[in-house]
Amino acid sequence: AQSVTQLDSQVPVFEEAPVELRCNYSSSVSVYLFWYVQYPNQGLQLLLKYLSGSTLVKGINGFEAEFNKSQTSFHLRKPSVHISDTAEYFCAVSNYNDMRFGAGTRLTVKP
Amino acid sequence: DGGITQSPKYLFRKEGQNVTLSCEQNLNHDAMYWYRQDPGQGLRLIYYSQIVNDFQKGDIAEGYSVSREKKESFPLTVTSAQKNPTAFYLCASSTYRAGSRNYEQYFGPGTRLTVT
Repeated sequence: AQSVTQLDSQVPVFEEAPVELRCNYSSSVSVYLFWYVQYPNQGLQLLLKYLSGSTLVKGINGFEAEFNKSQTSFHLRKPSVHISDTAEYFCAVSNYNDMRFGAGTRLTVKP
Repeated sequence: DGGITQSPKYLFRKEGQNVTLSCEQNLNHDAMYWYRQDPGQGLRLIYYSQIVNDFQKGDIAEGYSVSREKKESFPLTVTSAQKNPTAFYLCASSTYRAGSRNYEQYFGPGTRLTVT
């Protein structure tokens, strides 16, 4: 069985500061990896995905993530955040059976 | 403009009543999913369907039922047997290929159900 751990439930940060949201996973087979963003009372929107190839993946809104196979991690980063990035972020992992989501990290960007 | 629609956005019901949540997609996706979201618990899979007229239980199927009579539609019924039905419900869809890892899922805007 696979599982996903988002190491921080809440991350407060000031506007224009860099941010990293951490995600670790466990799986006995190779996986696909995803990051989603959810704004209040809305569905989830795909930020970026890793299927194969380059381990550094660029997504929408200036976010990027790096797949590290040896550390089984897929951390999300942004060099300079905006107030509008305040949202809940979910890491997800899929294998041949299902897709599993982490519990989410609430990013709060303060002025 | 392709996407997933869920209706209604907000739904209120009395305890003991069954209620059906609508989910429609025009993305031509084979697979569809229903999740329940509670604060601080992420997404929990209720049911999923990979093909018309077939569906499988997820992690928390008790008290819920689904049907998949058309590729575009995957309605969820919350029955009176569901002990704590108040939650935010999300529908999603994805492409599906047998023997492949699961591809990204596309989500609808959600339905917030309140049962009193």
